[in-house]
Amino acid sequence: AQKVTQTQTSISVMEKTTVTMDCVYETQDSSYFLFWYKQTASGEIVFLIRQDSYKKENATVGHYSLNFQKPKSSIGLIITATQIEDSAVYFCAMREDNAGAKLTFGGGTRLTVRP
Amino acid sequence: GPKVLQIPSHQIIDMGQMVTLNCDPVSNHLYFYWYKQILGQQMEFLVNFYNGKVMEKSKLFKDQFSVERPDGSYFTLKIQPTALEDSAVYFCASSLVGLANTGQLYFGEGSKLTVL
Repeated sequence: AQKVTQTQTSISVMEKTTVTMDCVYETQDSSYFLFWYKQTASGEIVFLIRQDSYKKENATVGHYSLNFQKPKSSIGLIITATQIEDSAVYFCAMREDNAGAKLTFGGGTRLTVRP
Repeated sequence: GPKVLQIPSHQIIDMGQMVTLNCDPVSNHLYFYWYKQILGQQMEFLVNFYNGKVMEKSKLFKDQFSVERPDGSYFTLKIQPTALEDSAVYFCASSLVGLANTGQLYFGEGSKLTVL
């Protein structure tokens, strides 16, 4: 069975700094996908970035990047130059490499960016 | 970007009543999902659905729950009868294909269900 764990329940940072959110996962599959989503104050769930398990290069999208450490089953999210509007709850998730497979989410990390 | 629409955004009902939550997935998507979230906590998988059939369901998908998508219309989650513990926000999601593209799920804005 898949399991995703986010140990940081909340993080507070100053604006324009860099923050890293941790995520570890468990799976029996040799091929899988890892995702980060954020949930805004309104409840909207927004896809941020994805990492394929077979890719060694860390994914980067805008000011989001990933620190993928496959031997440690770890997929950290790095946000550089944080902005006030980055304040949200961030969810790590994974899914098997099967069509229609479900996403399994972690418990989320609440990020507060202070001015 | 692609939008998943959910109706209603909020529903209040008495325990024991039936409720149907409606989801209009992204138009060319083939896989549909329901998730349950209590009080901004973890997103819990309920069920996924493809080609008119349930693919997988979790332990949270009780016998009182059912899903369908008749004739390509709304993808619905029906709870009959409802219980107090069904109070939560229910998120619908859809995806095009699990492999070969992003495999990304697109989520609706949620339907908040309050059971009294």
